Amino acid sequence: EVQLVESGGGLVKPGGSLRLSCAASGFTFSSYSMNWVRQAPGKGLEWVSSISSSSSYIYYADSVKGRFTISRDNAKNSLYLQMNSLRAEDTAVYYCARVGTRATVVHPWDYFDYWGQGTLVTVSS
Amino acid sequence: QSVLTQPPSASGTPGQRVTISCSGSSSNIGSNTVNWYQQLPGTAPKLLIYSNNQRPSGVPDRFSGSKSGTSASLAISGLQSEDEADYYCAAWDDSLNGWVFGGGTKLIVL
Repeated sequence: EVQLVESGGGLVKPGGSLRLSCAASGFTFSSYSMNWVRQAPGKGLEWVSSISSSSSYIYYADSVKGRFTISRDNAKNSLYLQMNSLRAEDTAVYYCARVGTRATVVHPWDYFDYWGQGTLVTVSS
Repeated sequence: QSVLTQPPSASGTPGQRVTISCSGSSSNIGSNTVNWYQQLPGTAPKLLIYSNNQRPSGVPDRFSGSKSGTSASLAISGLQSEDEADYYCAAWDDSLNGWVFGGGTKLIVL
């Protein structure tokens, strides 16, 4: 059974940093691109970042570019999101999500077939 | 302001058929496939439709998707109370080089 479990969320002051983790199990982690998607309280879904299976291709939303860094450790079956220079508008539940196709690149025809339960990040003084 | 445009809400009575629209542009829906996600209250999103009209295993055939030009639609027939949820469309955007979502549609079963 595919499982994605996020951790690392919490309360942080504006300008601070936080590192999120996503532990994957039940599938060959190294064969799939992975993503972070967030949802501000009471708002819709917003894609944050994607990373290909071997980390060769990385993409970011303009809203986080230069502040967030996505990475993965295939030996540990883990996905990470390093978040720096946090702002109030980064407050959200952060989900990790797996892409539905086994590939070495991120394809435009991909989709997110499994999601974690999310971890809440609150940026407030 | 979301790149993909959805109506904020939709409603129907049990047994009815409802449709939810998703409007985009040539850089997203016009050139890439559309996916739909269902988010029940208090839970993580779940893949409902992928590649415009494909259902993952376990998704009832009451749910169907279609795409034409720069717009897509999700149809739910035989509406049930458990279908009350938020629905999101999504597609890759060639200009932004990333995924874009619609603002979400809250489906209310009367």
